Amino acid sequence: SAVISQKPSRDICQRGTSLTIQCQVDSQVTMMFWYRQQPGQSLTLIATANQGSEATYESGFVIDKFPISRPNLTFSTLTVSNMSPEDSSIYLCSVPGQGARGYTFGSGTRLTVV
Amino acid sequence: QKEVEQDPGPLSVPEGAIVSLNCTYSNSAFQYFMWYRQYSRKGPELLMYTYSSGNKEDGRFTAQVDKSSKYISLFIRDSQPSDSATYLCAMKKEYNQGGKLIFGQGTELSVKP
Repeated sequence: SAVISQKPSRDICQRGTSLTIQCQVDSQVTMMFWYRQQPGQSLTLIATANQGSEATYESGFVIDKFPISRPNLTFSTLTVSNMSPEDSSIYLCSVPGQGARGYTFGSGTRLTVV
Repeated sequence: QKEVEQDPGPLSVPEGAIVSLNCTYSNSAFQYFMWYRQYSRKGPELLMYTYSSGNKEDGRFTAQVDKSSKYISLFIRDSQPSDSATYLCAMKKEYNQGGKLIFGQGTELSVKP
């Protein structure tokens, strides 16, 4: 399965600022996914990032708040913009496994907004 | 109602116990079922994968799916302190790679020596 490097691993940010999270995969993948894991909550899909096209956002998530870049088949970034304390969460990138198999996840970015 | 329900625990058991973790779901279209293990400050890692109803065994772990009851289980035999983690069930409808994965809330498990 793919190996994913995600950074930063954690950060503490001031409200109103933005943070860009990077995700690097050791193999070429068509799709990359960004998830949010809030304390005590399940993982929620933010968006699907395909190389060469705009990301597809899930209900409740918008491009202005969570812009995504996908410049090539091994790299993606997620920006959390104009942050508020409600954005404090773990953000994870993920790539699909073979066929219907589950996805492989990065180690996550633990974001605290103060 | 959430599509996937999972008791968040926490669940605490003594070493060597048999652990049973469960999820229920509401959408009968789910066909592919997974269990992930997530250690503290790590991303989830795929533990077990099953398709449709039935059992699947891998070492000390057994995954069970009952589609008629919309109920899935993960059993851990001879539990070890190293099994202490959060266990998340997940499921999807489609075979293709783009299929959306829906997660349960996760159950926090602690195995005491």
